[in-house]
Amino acid sequence: AQSVTQLDSQVPVFEEAPVELRCNYSSSVSVYLFWYVQYPNQGLQLLLKYLSGSTLVKGINGFEAEFNKSQTSFHLRKPSVHISDTAEYFCAVTPGSNFGNEKLTFGTGTRLTIIP
Amino acid sequence: NAGVTQTPKFRILKIGQSMTLQCTQDMNHNYMYWYRQDPGMGLKLIYYSVGAGITDKGEVPNGYNVSRSTTEDFPLRLELAAPSQTSVYFCASSYLGEAFFGQGTRLTVV
Repeated sequence: AQSVTQLDSQVPVFEEAPVELRCNYSSSVSVYLFWYVQYPNQGLQLLLKYLSGSTLVKGINGFEAEFNKSQTSFHLRKPSVHISDTAEYFCAVTPGSNFGNEKLTFGTGTRLTIIP
Repeated sequence: NAGVTQTPKFRILKIGQSMTLQCTQDMNHNYMYWYRQDPGMGLKLIYYSVGAGITDKGEVPNGYNVSRSTTEDFPLRLELAAPSQTSVYFCASSYLGEAFFGQGTRLTVV
């Protein structure tokens, strides 16, 4: 079974400052990793994903994440945040094979608040 | 493309009433899910399905039932509503682990 830990439940950041949202996972098999964003009163939408290949993954809205297998981490970063980045961010994991089990496991979320 | 469509968007139920939350997807995905989201608690998996005719319990299945007679539809049934079921409910489908979410149903049980 897989599990995901998002260590920070809330992260306040000043506008135009950099941000890192942390995600660690646990799995006995290879994994696919995802970051989702949820804007207020909306459903979740995909921000970026890691399936294989380059460990640095770029997503929408200037976000990127780095897969670190030795540290079992998939931290999300943005060099300069904007007010519109205020949202809740969820890390998720699924087994990295398609042999009949792709159930997603989500972390508890990190609420990012941008301070003007 | 409609993606994942949930209805209704809002609902108020009295204790003991029952209702069905509807979910349909037009992407021909095998995997579908129902989650509930409570403030500060992230997403909790209620039930999921790996294809038509196959469903399985998630973390918090008590008080809910599901069925999956077609690939497109995955309704969630609440039989005897309780205040603890006040929450926002999300339906999702996935392919290769990438999930597509509906807009959610905000349910209040009073």
